[in-house]
Amino acid sequence: DQQVKQNSPSLSVQEGRISILNCDYTNSMFDYFLWYKKYPAEGPTFLISISSIKDKNEDGRFTVFLNKSAKHLSLHIVPSQPGDSAVYFCAASSSGTYKYIFGTGTRLKVLA
Amino acid sequence: DTEVTQTPKHLVMGMTNKKSLKCEQHMGHRAMYWYKQKAKKPPELMFVYSYEKLSINESVPSRFSPECPNSSLLNLHLHALQPEDSALYLCASSHGGSNYNEQFFGPGTRLTVL
Repeated sequence: DQQVKQNSPSLSVQEGRISILNCDYTNSMFDYFLWYKKYPAEGPTFLISISSIKDKNEDGRFTVFLNKSAKHLSLHIVPSQPGDSAVYFCAASSSGTYKYIFGTGTRLKVLA
Repeated sequence: DTEVTQTPKHLVMGMTNKKSLKCEQHMGHRAMYWYKQKAKKPPELMFVYSYEKLSINESVPSRFSPECPNSSLLNLHLHALQPEDSALYLCASSHGGSNYNEQFFGPGTRLTVL
């Protein structure tokens, strides 16, 4: 049973436009969410996180939105750059545990 | 130093071999993790060490044996593996002291079992 899902396996966006990556979760005990970026043959790189007491967190070009009632989060990248092309994973955790559940990933391609 | 290092980068082993994967971090993190990632799949948690004690074992077969010699080092001992164990093995670390911790990942070891 996949507790964290990314329903879009791939996404293509023009350079300079907005990229929106989506993530849904089923476990209402999750209260901390993270986004990671992964290039081939490398480990995931942490991008941005959000705790359940917030509904938005920004860091430069990256913004994460959390809708707790819908059990949905999204990552917005504005403006998108060709270097953003990678696989993006969302991950979820419950406070007091060290268990992080990763989503299935979305491959983002930013076209120059 | 915000780096997690892993050695070796690549490993090819037979089903009767014994080998070890190594992971090191010098960020003062007190939680360390092993993940397994197959192609086109998300990382799957295998083990978590918290303050050098094994706190999570996700029902991993005993042919994988983790070890945390000190707070900076994490090993994964491999013995009698199967071809289906071929995957990218990722090590990660996090602060461990508070509830909300991002994980820092190493580059991984690409393991091939023949």
